[in-house]
Amino acid sequence: AQTVTQSQPEMSVQEAETVTLSCTYDTSESNYYLFWYKQPPSRQMILVIRQEAYKQQNATENRFSVNFQKAAKSFSLKISDSQLGDTAMYFCAFIPGGTYKYIFGTGTRLKVLA
Amino acid sequence: DGGITQSPKYLFRKEGQNVTLSCEQNLNHDAMYWYRQDPGQGLRLIYYSQIVNDFQKGDIAEGYSVSREKKESFPLTVTSAQKNPTAFYLCASRLGSGTANTGELFFGEGSRLTVL
Repeated sequence: AQTVTQSQPEMSVQEAETVTLSCTYDTSESNYYLFWYKQPPSRQMILVIRQEAYKQQNATENRFSVNFQKAAKSFSLKISDSQLGDTAMYFCAFIPGGTYKYIFGTGTRLKVLA
Repeated sequence: DGGITQSPKYLFRKEGQNVTLSCEQNLNHDAMYWYRQDPGQGLRLIYYSQIVNDFQKGDIAEGYSVSREKKESFPLTVTSAQKNPTAFYLCASRLGSGTANTGELFFGEGSRLTVL
């Protein structure tokens, strides 16, 4: 079965510090996409960052970057210079290429402290 | 602006009643999804539809039904057969297959259903 595991249910970080959220996944596919989604208290889920499995270079989006370790099936999210607006639930997800079914982790609740 | 609209945002239902949650998108996306979100369980797939007039059961389809008569619309009916329907429901969509497909899911703001 294809699964996504987020082992940190809750985390906190001081404003302006760096935090890393972990995600591991299990799949036998070689072609897939990986995502981190953010769900702030307002509830609308938005994409933070995505990574294609065939790309070795780690994706970055401003203060957000990933550490993609394909052999280890690990896809962690690093948030630099944390801001109060980063307080949210973060979900890791993946989907095999050419399919329609996404697999989500159970989420990590991140709180940024002033 | 393009996006996904879910309605209502909050809904209360008495036991034994069916309710329908609306989901409309103007992104011209082919695929649409319904997820259920419960605390500590993340997102669980209820149904998804790749094209009009076609849909597939997800992991927790029992007690739910959907239709996809138009590309833009994918309503979810929570039937009285659903044993524990109180939850937050998220609708999402994705561009279909092809080189333009980024794989990204776009979400609506969600509907909170409470059974009294």
